[in-house]
Amino acid sequence: AQSVTQPDIHITVSEGASLELRCNYSYGATPYLFWYVQSPGQGLQLLLKYFSGDTLVQGIKGFEAEFKRSQSSFNLRKPSVHWSDAAEYFCAVGAYGNEKLTFGTGTRLTIIP
Amino acid sequence: DTAVSQTPKYLVTQMGNDKSIKCEQNLGHDTMYWYKQDSKKFLKIMFSYNNKELIINETVPNRFSPKSPDKAHLNLHINSLELGDSAVYFCASSPLVGKTGEQFFGPGTRLTVL
Repeated sequence: AQSVTQPDIHITVSEGASLELRCNYSYGATPYLFWYVQSPGQGLQLLLKYFSGDTLVQGIKGFEAEFKRSQSSFNLRKPSVHWSDAAEYFCAVGAYGNEKLTFGTGTRLTIIP
Repeated sequence: DTAVSQTPKYLVTQMGNDKSIKCEQNLGHDTMYWYKQDSKKFLKIMFSYNNKELIINETVPNRFSPKSPDKAHLNLHINSLELGDSAVYFCASSPLVGKTGEQFFGPGTRLTVL
């Protein structure tokens, strides 16, 4: 069965600082990987996705993520955060032929001035 | 131009009542989902429908019954509501069948059972 671990429940960074959110997955074959963001009181919005090919994927709002098969990781990065990036971030894993997405428990990002 | 919409946005009700949440997508997608997000923000799939046919039915109490009148709509009916049903319920849709692709989420319905 597929699973996702986001080890950091809450991260605080200063505005303008760099960000890395960790995600580790467990799946027997090549996974499909996603990062979603949820702003307070809102639904989930897709930031980026990895299906195959280049292991460094670019997303919206200046985010990127790198797929590392050897480490079973798909960490999300941003070089310089903005106050509007404060939100909950979810990593998710899916698989070919499987309709189901499995989500991690989320990382809450707080931005301080 | 709303992609995935849900009504109502908030629902407050008493234990034992029956309630429904409606979901509509105008993206032309074949697959729709219901997720439950608990107070700890944990997001878990409940059901998935493909073109009105049930594909995924996780271990959800049978008090929860999804209904898909057409492929653009997926409603969730809940009988005999319990305190533990309090959560945010998200509807989502996806354009891909037989794969796991990007899912588009609605704004959520916050259900509070008193």
